[in-house]
Amino acid sequence: GENVEQHPSTLSVQEGDSAVIKCTYSDSASNYFPWYKQELGKRPQLIIDIRSNVGEKKDQRIAVTLNKTAKHFSLHITETQPEDSAVYFCAASRGAGGTSYGKLTFGQGTILTVHP
Amino acid sequence: DAGVTQSPTHLIKTRGQQVTLRCSPKSGHDTVSWYQQALGQGPQFIFQYYEEEERQRGNFPDRFSGHQFPNYSSELNVNALLLGDSALYLCASSLGSLAGVNEQFFGPGTRLTVL
Repeated sequence: GENVEQHPSTLSVQEGDSAVIKCTYSDSASNYFPWYKQELGKRPQLIIDIRSNVGEKKDQRIAVTLNKTAKHFSLHITETQPEDSAVYFCAASRGAGGTSYGKLTFGQGTILTVHP
Repeated sequence: DAGVTQSPTHLIKTRGQQVTLRCSPKSGHDTVSWYQQALGQGPQFIFQYYEEEERQRGNFPDRFSGHQFPNYSSELNVNALLLGDSALYLCASSLGSLAGVNEQFFGPGTRLTVL
């Protein structure tokens, strides 16, 4: 089955710096890669996702890149703010369609701390 | 437009007991997936319900079962509770009837503690 590895497990940055979190996946059939942000005691919230037909996607200060050949994808947060502090999870899925129903396999999470 | 809701928020049970958790999907969604999130870990897929049937299952024992109702809401049942079942149980809803659409939106979760 799919295996997703996420690094680093903790990341500490100063406000205004950039943060990068990296994930690798094992199933070459995976084609959907979402990122979730989970604040303490709250639900995971989808912040950005990318599909295998594109290499990069941006949404304001957040961007995700995908390298299908190397089977890795990364989350980039620029101009970090204290409210970006949370646990970030990457995930991979074969996507819904045919006999695949979009089961998400998650990485272990990255605790991001942004210091004012 | 209501998002995904779950009940109860917290639950304390003892070993050997049974528990039922409930989930209502986001308006317009027809598919419910359940995940178990142990402390400090990423969510792990338990199973997914669509059209009132379990259509995909993760590596969880038969003690974990579920149900989906005609209004798309869902229940997760866990029998013969073990200490290791203590976790946050998350429900995620999506539109499963449309191929290629994957976005899953999570509910607030139910924190289950087994003593």
